[in-house]
Amino acid sequence: ETGVTQTPRHLVMGMTNKKSLKCEQHLGHNAMYWYKQSAKKPLELMFVYSLEERVENNSVPSRFSPECPNSSHLFLHLHTLQPEDSALYLCASSQDHHRDYEQYFGPGTRLTVT
Amino acid sequence: AQSVAQPEDQVNVAEGNPLTVKCTYSVSGNPYLFWYVQYPNRGLQFLLKYITGDNLVKGSYGFEAEFNKSQTSFHLKKPSALVSDSALYFCAVRENAGNNRKLIWGLGTSLAVNP
Repeated sequence: ETGVTQTPRHLVMGMTNKKSLKCEQHLGHNAMYWYKQSAKKPLELMFVYSLEERVENNSVPSRFSPECPNSSHLFLHLHTLQPEDSALYLCASSQDHHRDYEQYFGPGTRLTVT
Repeated sequence: AQSVAQPEDQVNVAEGNPLTVKCTYSVSGNPYLFWYVQYPNRGLQFLLKYITGDNLVKGSYGFEAEFNKSQTSFHLKKPSALVSDSALYFCAVRENAGNNRKLIWGLGTSLAVNP
């Protein structure tokens, strides 16, 4: 699991706050992903980056803003979130974003919006 | 449309007994199939995948899965369960052709292995 790290592990924020989630992968992968995991729901893919270019954006509200400055780092900037955004946010990476490569996940950031 | 189903929310087995976690899928063409495990307060870990070739796929921690095209299933198995196998297991599927690259995830099955 140390291949993909995420900080912070826990975050509590008010609806008017701005915060950022950070992900770093040490696997030399070209693709990185943000997922939202909520209880009783399938894993929701939010964003996909390949070689620092966004290749997928799955109808995510604009209060979530991703940033990928290089192929090892991925950020998720958060602002004016809603309580229903409380969830576990998972970062993942894969060798490439093509369809047969498995993904490697970080431990996640447990986000609580108050 | 692609879909994946894990029909059991929870599976309970005794330590040392064989375990099976079920997964069925629906895709237009041939599938790429994946199993992941999530331990408490951790991210998902890749276990194994089926891309092509032998229908029986062996993965990490002694797990294996069998691709059955006629039944559109990819059940996860282990001959002898350990208490440490207790976790949440996710099946995922993706079409191996066409423009749709999206990975579709099941809701997960909670496995409890009792001592």
